[in-house]
Amino acid sequence: ETGVTQTPRHLVMGMTNKKSLKCEQHLGHNAMYWYKQSAKKPLELMFVYSLEERVENNSVPSRFSPECPNSSHLFLHLHTLQPEDSALYLCASSQVGVVSAEAFFGQGTRLTVV
Amino acid sequence: AQRVTQPEKLLSVFKGAPVELKCNYSYSGSPELFWYVQYSRQRLQLLLRHISRESIKGFTADLNKGETSFHLKKPFAQEEDSAMYYCAPLGDNFNKFYFGSGTKLNVKP
Repeated sequence: ETGVTQTPRHLVMGMTNKKSLKCEQHLGHNAMYWYKQSAKKPLELMFVYSLEERVENNSVPSRFSPECPNSSHLFLHLHTLQPEDSALYLCASSQVGVVSAEAFFGQGTRLTVV
Repeated sequence: AQRVTQPEKLLSVFKGAPVELKCNYSYSGSPELFWYVQYSRQRLQLLLRHISRESIKGFTADLNKGETSFHLKKPFAQEEDSAMYYCAPLGDNFNKFYFGSGTKLNVKP
């Protein structure tokens, strides 16, 4: 498997459930990202982990909790979500420190909260 | 803080017509700017970056520091260019990508 892989591809969960999204990158990058893609805000940066430290949290609700155990893996833990959290969640990675380094994206997890 | 604006949500052109997707940014410092594209049912991917001054799939983008713009242009649009296009500046410390709201390009036959 190469590039950025996200699992699961689709997830349906109730508002009282707890679930986790997983992202894995095989590119040797040192930064990973979570984005939320919805009709209202097409690409909203949620979290950034750079060199395994979280460097930005854009006031995302606490019902979203990221975890980055190492530079290759990124999780997004979900609990007590709301229907408006239904969206496509995208993971990306990049190499910080390289001039004009691009971000590589996964296919995304389509989340539906019922 | 960085901000990027793509004023057009939807742009429809006929095949063979020129196309320009607008992007304006506000940035403190020397910007690095990218255009990303998302074709139907495909993942978001890099189209081009300003530092390379390259032409990809016939698209070019010029950084205009005076107008703080980075518009994407193609002289003759093709149907396969139909996709969502996002302008993205690279953030402070080179570790944050902020994306514009995107422009959906629809190229009609």
